[in-house]
Amino acid sequence: AQKVTQAQTEISVVEKEDVTLDCVYETRDTTYYLFWYKQPPSGELVFLIRRNSFDEQNEISGRYSWNFQKSTSSFNFTITASQVVDSAVYFCALRSGNTGNQFYFGTGTSLTVIP
Amino acid sequence: SQTIHQWPATLVQPVGSPLSLECTVEGTSNPNLYWYRQAAGRGLQLLFYSVGIGQISSEVPQNLSASRPQDRQFILSSKKLLLSDSGFYLCAWSVLGYNSPLHFGNGTRLTVT
Repeated sequence: AQKVTQAQTEISVVEKEDVTLDCVYETRDTTYYLFWYKQPPSGELVFLIRRNSFDEQNEISGRYSWNFQKSTSSFNFTITASQVVDSAVYFCALRSGNTGNQFYFGTGTSLTVIP
Repeated sequence: SQTIHQWPATLVQPVGSPLSLECTVEGTSNPNLYWYRQAAGRGLQLLFYSVGIGQISSEVPQNLSASRPQDRQFILSSKKLLLSDSGFYLCAWSVLGYNSPLHFGNGTRLTVT
């Protein structure tokens, strides 16, 4: 069974603080893909990053960084020096490499950055 | 480049009325197409997905149906809306290839009164 857990329902941070959003996944597939999406108040989901199961190299993009650890089945997302524009709901998702038509989403983490 | 169009952006409909939401994708062929619903303050619920014309997979029993009359067109319908159908409806597409992400439309906010 495929499952994504985002245990943090809501997080509030003060502007310029760092924040990490947790994502834990479950799958029996040896090949799979992990994604992060941002949903700002306007509602549209914006694709942020994709990670393949065979590539554990962490990635940094500006103030965003992602830590993929297969040993703990986690794909955490860190925002450094948070800004008000980072306020959004963030979703982690999993796609199977065997039967990949479906995407399995976590329940999302609502991040509020306080100015 | 690929784009996805979803309309209308907002809709207010009375209980018992029909529904038709349309989604089209440009710039790609034979995409996988998806309909998701998001209730207020909740996560994403997959309603339907399609891997080709006329091929629809339903994920949850409900008052809704989907159709794919053309390769890049996906329609969500209902014959009689219920109050519980209110929510934010999102259309999305991905290309064949399991490493392809989902790309979402801007969504339709449906309120059933």
